[in-house]
Amino acid sequence: GQNIDQPTEMTATEGAIVQINCTYQTSGFNGLFWYQQHAGEAPTFLSYNVLDGLEEKGRFSSFLSRSKGYSYLLLKELQMKDSASYLCAVSADSNYQLIWGAGTKLIIKP
Amino acid sequence: DADVTQTPRNRITKTGKRIMLECSQTKGHDRMYWYRQDPGLGLRLIYYSFDVKDINKGEISDGYSVSRQAQAKFSLSLESAIPNQTALYFCATGGDRLNNEQFFGPGTRLTVL
Repeated sequence: GQNIDQPTEMTATEGAIVQINCTYQTSGFNGLFWYQQHAGEAPTFLSYNVLDGLEEKGRFSSFLSRSKGYSYLLLKELQMKDSASYLCAVSADSNYQLIWGAGTKLIIKP
Repeated sequence: DADVTQTPRNRITKTGKRIMLECSQTKGHDRMYWYRQDPGLGLRLIYYSFDVKDINKGEISDGYSVSRQAQAKFSLSLESAIPNQTALYFCATGGDRLNNEQFFGPGTRLTVL
């Protein structure tokens, strides 16, 4: 079957660094996405990894290891506005549909 | 103007009523999707369409139907709403081989009493 796991909730302090992990077991792999979703709002695209390694984009970085079925999203210099849910999704079939994890709710404390 | 729009944004209805949620996009994408989101369950695919003549069931299509009236429009219907269809519904576009990213509408919060 297809499965994506990520922690349900994490707490971090403003100004700190946090790493959100995602593990996946899928029948195929075309790429892995991270989306940010504020409560009651639409998910918005953060990053896309198709090759192993680290992709850096400002305060956010995303890492992928295809052999381990593992990714993480690294958020640096945390700000209060980073309080949101972070969704991991894998494109796993020939139709490029996405399989979604349940999301990790990140709580930032002052 | 938003690239993906949904109407209505909020709807409260009663059990047994027929409800239609509408989605429009100006991104020129062929692919469109309907998802529902429930607390703790993530996004679940209801139906998807790869072009105007193509309709496919997703993970949880029972109790729902869709219509792809044009490339830009994709509607979701609940023929006879029931309380466990209370959820946040998202329309999305994109997600093909050339552009894997999906773009989401603002969502429709549906409550079935």
